[in-house]
Formats: sequence, structure tokens, C-alpha cells
Amino acid sequence: SQQGEEDPQALSIQEGENATMNCSYKTSINNLQWYRQNSGRGLVHLILIRSNEREKHSGRLRVTLDTSKKSSSLLITASRAADTASYFCATDRTSGSRLTFGEGTQLTVNP
Amino acid sequence: DGGITQSPKYLFRKEGQNVTLSCEQNLNHDAMYWYRQDPGQGLRLIYYSQIVNDFQKGDIAEGYSVSREKKESFPLTVTSAQKNPTAFYLCASSIEASYIGYTFGSGTRLTVV
Repeated sequence: SQQGEEDPQALSIQEGENATMNCSYKTSINNLQWYRQNSGRGLVHLILIRSNEREKHSGRLRVTLDTSKKSSSLLITASRAADTASYFCATDRTSGSRLTFGEGTQLTVNP
Repeated sequence: DGGITQSPKYLFRKEGQNVTLSCEQNLNHDAMYWYRQDPGQGLRLIYYSQIVNDFQKGDIAEGYSVSREKKESFPLTVTSAQKNPTAFYLCASSIEASYIGYTFGSGTRLTVV
């Protein structure tokens, strides 16, 4: 089964609102990454948080990591219609040798 | 500009045919990966290669084959043994052993006709 699971599967908000997506995983990790995918395109790396970090910011993105709960959240503040995309978390397991991706959250930002 | 190029963007395969998807990178990355994505789902790893002339099976390797004769190239062949090949295929690369910030190509959409 997938290492990462995103929640919710789909999220629809209005422009200007904040969007929060969650990711849970099962085994110990070195780091957790978030990627964005526009429809029919490849994935783009957004942000990485290491297992010894609890929070990280990049522009309008805020990522938190709780290793005790094996979960992470991605917050997009002041969302824009251009933020409409699928968002995936990916984990680099301590026992593994490559990234494992979750099933994604489809975010729709309505203008 | 450095990046990954996948070709073709769209590919149609007849039943029983083998087809090859191209993936080329000029990022000087050692590691390359092939993922399959079905509609509304996440990415599943098919094959990966950490160095030239070496590659490992991922989670869904059956019906696929790869080669890594050059650092820049990691072609994926979808064989006739793959019974349900219709999907979106993504190639990615990363700096060896870092697994930080994969760079993805723009994908190939394969359809069986």
C-alpha cells in the first residue's frame, strides 16, 4: 500500500481562502516532500521538510511535520485560482531507497 | 536550460505491440525513475536506476523493461505482457543518493487502441 495518504481527496475553496491538506505515513522517514501537479503535466517540487524539523515556510506555503503522529500538513495561504492543481506528499523512508508518493489532494480554487 | 524531456507526449499502442517511451535529462543527475499514474491516483514506481548500466524493479515492474546505457537516457518499453498499459507515464531524476527534489518530465499519455 502507499506510504503516504493525503486527506482530503478533493478540496474546493474560494480565492483568498486558506487551503490545508494533510498527509499521513506509516514508517520512519528521513524527510517529507510536497509536490504540485497541474492537470496532464509532470510534478513540480514545492518544499521539503526533514524529520528533525517541525515547521517550514516558503512564500505562501507552510508545512508542518509531526513525526510522533506520522503526519504532515501543507497550508497554502491567500489562495489564487492559479493554485488549482493536485498536491502530493512524498516520503523518503529510512529503510528505503527512493521516494514513495501518496494519492494526492485535488485542490480547486474558485475565482 | 536543464531539464527532463519525455517523448512522445501522446502514444497509441495496438494490442500485442511493444512501445518505447523516451526520457532524456541534461541535469547530470545519476538517478532516474519511471512512474505510472492512473486517473485520479498517485504515482506508482515501475523501475529506477541509480547509476549507468544498473537498474532495479519498482513496485509494478511486470510487463515493463528499461535500459540505462547512458547517464542522460532511461527509456521505458511497455511490452505486450503489460495487460493494462493505458496510463500517464512520468519520468523523473534526482542527484544520486539525495532523493531531494525530484525533477519530473511532462509525461507521456499512452492509450491502447
